[in-house]
Amino acid sequence: SQQGEEDPQALSIQEGENATMNCSYKTSINNLQWYRQNSGRGLVHLILIRSNEREKHSGRLRVTLDTSKKSSSLLITASRAADTASYFCATVLSGSARQLTFGSGTQLTVLP
Amino acid sequence: KAGVTQTPRYLIKTRGQQVTLSCSPISGHRSVSWYQQTPGQGLQFLFEYFSETQRNKGNFPGRFSGRQFSNSRSEMNVSTLELGDSALYLCASSLVVAGGLTGELFFGEGSRLTVL
Repeated sequence: SQQGEEDPQALSIQEGENATMNCSYKTSINNLQWYRQNSGRGLVHLILIRSNEREKHSGRLRVTLDTSKKSSSLLITASRAADTASYFCATVLSGSARQLTFGSGTQLTVLP
Repeated sequence: KAGVTQTPRYLIKTRGQQVTLSCSPISGHRSVSWYQQTPGQGLQFLFEYFSETQRNKGNFPGRFSGRQFSNSRSEMNVSTLELGDSALYLCASSLVVAGGLTGELFFGEGSRLTVL
């Protein structure tokens, strides 16, 4: 079963706009990771945030983590058509080494 | 540095047959994990191998098995295939970070299995 849910399930925006995706999870975690998947392809790691971190940046990506609310958000700024993909959050549960539990994913479409 | 390589990329089998999928991790990565992705269940963890030993196993029946060789290459096998086994099977490799926790995973392009 999946650890949690992502919201929204689908998001459609114009190029240049910001995209925000949210992820909720159910149990204590060691870290949370975001991945991107182009249709039918493998997943690409975007960013990892540890349970003792609250915010992390990487290029146009900004990730926040609120362990009290068991939630995370991924912000993509100044989106491009090439950002069109599915985005998944994945958690490493406390005491569960080397196993990711994925959310249901957000399908992002960036319109040119 | 070459990425994770999975073979075959596509395959079609019929119910009752078995299948073996192969994964070559990134050089130097000793942890290899397998995930199943379906439209209905999403991404689900199958198992993880490190130093030729299965370290973790997901909630899948015994028809799903795997192994890892001394060069860290891994194979997974599904016996007595069912229609519901149709999926994208993803392999990922990773470095084992301090404390044995999971750092980032590097995924292959997957093997798409269709069971007729």
